[in-house]
Amino acid sequence: SAVISQKPSRDICQRGTSLTIQCQVDSQVTMMFWYRQQPGQSLTLIATANQGSEATYESGFVIDKFPISRPNLTFSTLTVSNMSPEDSSIYLCSVDGTGQETQYFGPGTRLLVL
Amino acid sequence: GENVEQHPSTLSVQEGDSAVIKCTYSDSASNYFPWYKQELGKRPQLIIDIRSNVGEKKDQRIAVTLNKTAKHFSLHITETQPEDSAVYFCAANPTGGGNKLTFGTGTQLKVEL
Repeated sequence: SAVISQKPSRDICQRGTSLTIQCQVDSQVTMMFWYRQQPGQSLTLIATANQGSEATYESGFVIDKFPISRPNLTFSTLTVSNMSPEDSSIYLCSVDGTGQETQYFGPGTRLLVL
Repeated sequence: GENVEQHPSTLSVQEGDSAVIKCTYSDSASNYFPWYKQELGKRPQLIIDIRSNVGEKKDQRIAVTLNKTAKHFSLHITETQPEDSAVYFCAANPTGGGNKLTFGTGTQLKVEL
């Protein structure tokens, strides 16, 4: 499976600021996804990052709050904008595998908003 | 959209016993069902998956069964070991989802010595 890295691995931010999280894959992949995992909870899909077009957002998530870029087939960014303590969470990217439906996850970014 | 329910939320077993985690899904057109294991502080790791054209798949001590009629699938772990302790998530792909996954709520498995 692909090697997936995320930066930063963790951060502590002040409310009202923004943080951009990077996801890098060591091989070209078709699909990249961004998830949020709140403490002790399951994984919730934020959006699908589409190469060359706008991201597709899930219900409850909007582009103004979570802008996403996908400039090529190996890289994507998620920005958490105008943060509040409720945004404290783990943010994970995932990519599709050889089976296409299969997803592999990055190590996650642990965000704490004060 | 797809709804995936998972039970139980916590499961405690003695080392060497079997563990079973069950999930139900709502979208009858779903055709891919992976299971992930997430250890504390780590990323979710794919441990096994099944597609709707088979009823059972096995990989050493782990097996998954699928009942398409009843829209449920289960994870079976035999001869449990302490290193099996983790949170397990089931998932299903919703119709027209473009390879998206909807995850269950998770099961905290604890294997006691």
